[in-house]
Amino acid sequence: GENVEQHPSTLSVQEGDSAVIKCTYSDSASNYFPWYKQELGKRPQLIIDIRSNVGEKKDQRIAVTLNKTAKHFSLHITETQPEDSAVYFCAARGGNKLTFGTGTQLKVEL
Amino acid sequence: EAGVAQSPRYKIIEKRQSVAFWCNPISGHATLYWYQQILGQGPKLLIQFQNNGVVDDSQLPKDRFSAERLKGVDSTLKIQPAKLEDSAVYLCASSITGTGREQYFGPGTRLTVT
Repeated sequence: GENVEQHPSTLSVQEGDSAVIKCTYSDSASNYFPWYKQELGKRPQLIIDIRSNVGEKKDQRIAVTLNKTAKHFSLHITETQPEDSAVYFCAARGGNKLTFGTGTQLKVEL
Repeated sequence: EAGVAQSPRYKIIEKRQSVAFWCNPISGHATLYWYQQILGQGPKLLIQFQNNGVVDDSQLPKDRFSAERLKGVDSTLKIQPAKLEDSAVYLCASSITGTGREQYFGPGTRLTVT
């Protein structure tokens, strides 16, 4: 089955800096890669997703890049703000199942 | 539109007891998922329904966990008997279809097994 690895597990940045979270996946047939943000005690919420026929997607301060050959994808957050502090999960869909990474705790410091 | 509803929000039971969780997906969503999220980990899919049929239950511990989605709308997840390692948040999610469309998560049920 699919295996998703996510790095780093924790990330601390200064407000205004950029943050990058990286994920790798194992199943070359995976074709959908969402990113979820989960604030403490709350439900995961989709922030951006990308399909395998696209290399990059951007939405305001967040962007995701996908390298199908290397089987990795990354989340980029620019001009970070304190409200970006949360746990971020990447995921990959192979077949009908979504497999999640282990999460990155992002802390944006003032 | 109303979101995914789950109840209860919190449950504390002793090991070997049984517990049931309920989920009401977003209206019109054919696909329903149950995930287990252990503290500090990502959600792990337990079971996926398409309408009232099971699509994937490969990671469901079938000796103690069961789930049903009668009539293809609401779903219940049951654990009997519970073990200490079942302590986790149980998340229900739904999507219009199972093919790469956004999954909307419910607030989850936090289960503590003592």
